[in-house]
Amino acid sequence: GAVVSQHPSWVICKSGTSVKIECRSLDFQATTMFWYRQFPKQSLMLMATSNEGSKATYEQGVEKDKFLINHASLTLSTLTVTSAHPEDSSFYICSARSVGLSDQPQHFGDGTRLSIL
Amino acid sequence: GENVEQHPSTLSVQEGDSAVIKCTYSDSASNYFPWYKQELGKRPQLIIDIRSNVGEKKDQRIAVTLNKTAKHFSLHITETQPEDSAVYFCAASRGTYKYIFGTGTRLKVLA
Repeated sequence: GAVVSQHPSWVICKSGTSVKIECRSLDFQATTMFWYRQFPKQSLMLMATSNEGSKATYEQGVEKDKFLINHASLTLSTLTVTSAHPEDSSFYICSARSVGLSDQPQHFGDGTRLSIL
Repeated sequence: GENVEQHPSTLSVQEGDSAVIKCTYSDSASNYFPWYKQELGKRPQLIIDIRSNVGEKKDQRIAVTLNKTAKHFSLHITETQPEDSAVYFCAASRGTYKYIFGTGTRLKVLA
């Protein structure tokens, strides 16, 4: 149980392109999804917290107009990297936390490796 | 702000030996502490977690201990195997709030 699917797994595109990444909870409902960015050999850096039906909460230093997050249902959140540039190249990972009254662990997707040429 | 320190950053052990990774958190309101294992290019996978109402939890070769007074918690892996080689991340959170991750420990088990 607690499977999170992330798509696509790998994207290579030209500078200036917008890229959408999907994160789906397959066998549970997720009121909260999280988007992380991970640089090589580094920890996971939280970009934003996405709550179903409301605006995302962005971490300090993360441009909300650059990284658009939509969480339209209890099983789907999307991250759109708008007008991507080479410095946006990174490994992006989502996680989802299931609905419940008690603490629930985050379950991670497989990640999306984004390469901007 | 809140932060989690994790040590060591790299750890090499001989197969069969034990490995210990330590984390210290700053937010005294933290009450949930998961540990994740991440293999190269793959997703972080939850391997064990502990809540603040217990001091120790064990699952086969893996155990976690929590000292709330000192605000630190540790991961213990016994009888290490080559497949335990990976990067391990600790995290701390309060309730359903976001995780604060440690900086990671690269564990290498030498055959």
